[in-house]
Amino acid sequence: AQRVTQPEKLLSVFKGAPVELKCNYSYSGSPELFWYVQYSRQRLQLLLRHISRESIKGFTADLNKGETSFHLKKPFAQEEDSAMYYCALSGRVEGGSYIPTFGRGTSLIVHP
Amino acid sequence: GAVVSQHPSWVICKSGTSVKIECRSLDFQATTMFWYRQFPKQSLMLMATSNEGSKATYEQGVEKDKFLINHASLTLSTLTVTSAHPEDSSFYICSARGRWPRDHEQYFGPGTRLTVT
Repeated sequence: AQRVTQPEKLLSVFKGAPVELKCNYSYSGSPELFWYVQYSRQRLQLLLRHISRESIKGFTADLNKGETSFHLKKPFAQEEDSAMYYCALSGRVEGGSYIPTFGRGTSLIVHP
Repeated sequence: GAVVSQHPSWVICKSGTSVKIECRSLDFQATTMFWYRQFPKQSLMLMATSNEGSKATYEQGVEKDKFLINHASLTLSTLTVTSAHPEDSSFYICSARGRWPRDHEQYFGPGTRLTVT
């Protein structure tokens, strides 16, 4: 079974402070991992995926297979980063299809 | 690109009636569509997965006779909440996934707010 754990329900920081949103996963194969973001009153949108190794809006996330983690980081938080962040895993299930599993989400609040 | 729309964006219905929610991929072919339910300030709960032309696969605990899902074309999936009750009031979100190499990414609709009175 695949599982995604986001231990923090809420993360509150001040503008300019570093941010790390934690994500741990459980999956027997090679996972595809994603971070999605949902700004207030907007739809979920893809922030980044691990295989692209991009930095989007200053955020990066590195897959650590040893620790089965995919933490999302940003060195200097901005107020506009305030949103709900979901870590997600796409893993192959019996039958061959890929099913997404989402973490419960972490609400990031960046104070001025 | 990769836009997903949902209709209606909100609906109010009386207890015992049925309501249909549409999910469309506007500029790509969605081989798979997912239906989620989201409670206030909570995560997404996957309800079912539908592949074009085949029956939906429901997650454990989701009544397939109550939440009818149809995925008749590569751009349209529908969720029908039958005999709705107040406890079905929720925010329903669909997402669509395309073909390889973007067969892992999901593109989300804006959601549909259902209120059952």
